[in-house]
Amino acid sequence: ETGVTQTPRHLVMGMTNKKSLKCEQHLGHNAMYWYKQSAKKPLELMFVYSLEERVENNSVPSRFSPECPNSSHLFLHLHTLQPEDSALYLCASSQASGANVLTFGAGSRLTVL
Amino acid sequence: DQQVKQNSPSLSVQEGRISILNCDYTNSMFDYFLWYKKYPAEGPTFLISISSIKDKNEDGRFTVFLNKSAKHLSLHIVPSQPGDSAVYFCAASPLSGTDKLIFGTGTRLQVFP
Repeated sequence: ETGVTQTPRHLVMGMTNKKSLKCEQHLGHNAMYWYKQSAKKPLELMFVYSLEERVENNSVPSRFSPECPNSSHLFLHLHTLQPEDSALYLCASSQASGANVLTFGAGSRLTVL
Repeated sequence: DQQVKQNSPSLSVQEGRISILNCDYTNSMFDYFLWYKKYPAEGPTFLISISSIKDKNEDGRFTVFLNKSAKHLSLHIVPSQPGDSAVYFCAASPLSGTDKLIFGTGTRLQVFP
């Protein structure tokens, strides 16, 4: 596999569920990102990891919990979400944090009922 | 308050003609600007960029123009092709290398035969 792979592509969950989104990059990049894209809104940066350390947490509610076990994998753990959290969640990677060119995955479409 | 604005949500252009997508920004600290293209069910892909020391950057059919005094940039596609039909996102960041790319809301381009 090449590029940035996200699973699952679609997820429907209730407000009391716990689920996780997974991202894997095969590019040898050192930085990974979670972005949120809501309808008619700009992409919003949620988290940045550089060399497995979190370097940015963009005021994201604690019901979203990221995990970066190594430089190739990134998770977003979801717990007690709200319907307004329904969105497309995009993972991205770059050669280094601070690099401007990102490689995105196809996204995980989340629906919270 | 949106720092990067794409005021046209959609644009329709005939094949062979020029497509012009516009983007305005408010933060004078932005030094680096990018355009990403997104097809349905895929992640955004990097298209072209420009730094503030230039006013034009060209890559094949794609040219980005930057007018710093007006805080405005535009993407020209000529000649437009049906395969160019996608959503185009403008993004900006300070050159200092922060991890924060600020995206616009996107413009959907449709190129018809």
